[in-house]
Amino acid sequence: KAGVTQTPRYLIKTRGQQVTLSCSPISGHRSVSWYQQTPGQGLQFLFEYFSETQRNKGNFPGRFSGRQFSNSRSEMNVSTLELGDSALYLCASSGGQGMRNEQFFGPGTRLTVL
Amino acid sequence: QQQVKQSPQSLIVQKGGIPIINCAYENTAFDYFPWYQQFPGKGPALLIAIRPDVSEKKEGRFTISFNKSAKQFSLHIMDSQPGDSATYFCAAIVSGGYNKLIFGAGTRLAVHP
Repeated sequence: KAGVTQTPRYLIKTRGQQVTLSCSPISGHRSVSWYQQTPGQGLQFLFEYFSETQRNKGNFPGRFSGRQFSNSRSEMNVSTLELGDSALYLCASSGGQGMRNEQFFGPGTRLTVL
Repeated sequence: QQQVKQSPQSLIVQKGGIPIINCAYENTAFDYFPWYQQFPGKGPALLIAIRPDVSEKKEGRFTISFNKSAKQFSLHIMDSQPGDSATYFCAAIVSGGYNKLIFGAGTRLAVHP
């Protein structure tokens, strides 16, 4: 089975721009979660989507948003980028049969905001 | 109460040694505790996980010990190898809270030949 894929792998943007990141979960998985990883704050939960509905959200400003499509692929969007948004953005999929809480991560998208 | 505290921040052992990484939590609603291994430039990879009704779980060279009363759990790596050099994260989740993992700060492990 193919793992979680994320595109693009690297992205450079400037302050004020917006960005969209994409995640394709493992086949059959219906839940996609997004995390932000920074050296200072570590791994922090952004939000989770299941069957096209956001069912959990972390403590991030409204500039961070996401959506999920009917094929379970997910996108996250960050508007009005700030320098502090520079991070590795990870998505994780779960929901395989008998493994409800196991989350499998993709390689991440490294976002640099200049 | 949502925090998971992980220690040490970094760890150096010789090949064959048994590094131990510790985590503690406060929220008694947590009911699933996974460990992740992350190599530079890669996403975290699920290593092993435990539920609080079990005190120990082994998978290959990796063992989780769980102390429910102390609200602590730890990862032991038996016969450590240089290839185990990575950052390790403990995490916790409330099953009913869907898939929101709360991570520890991470432990950078170096295994010297």
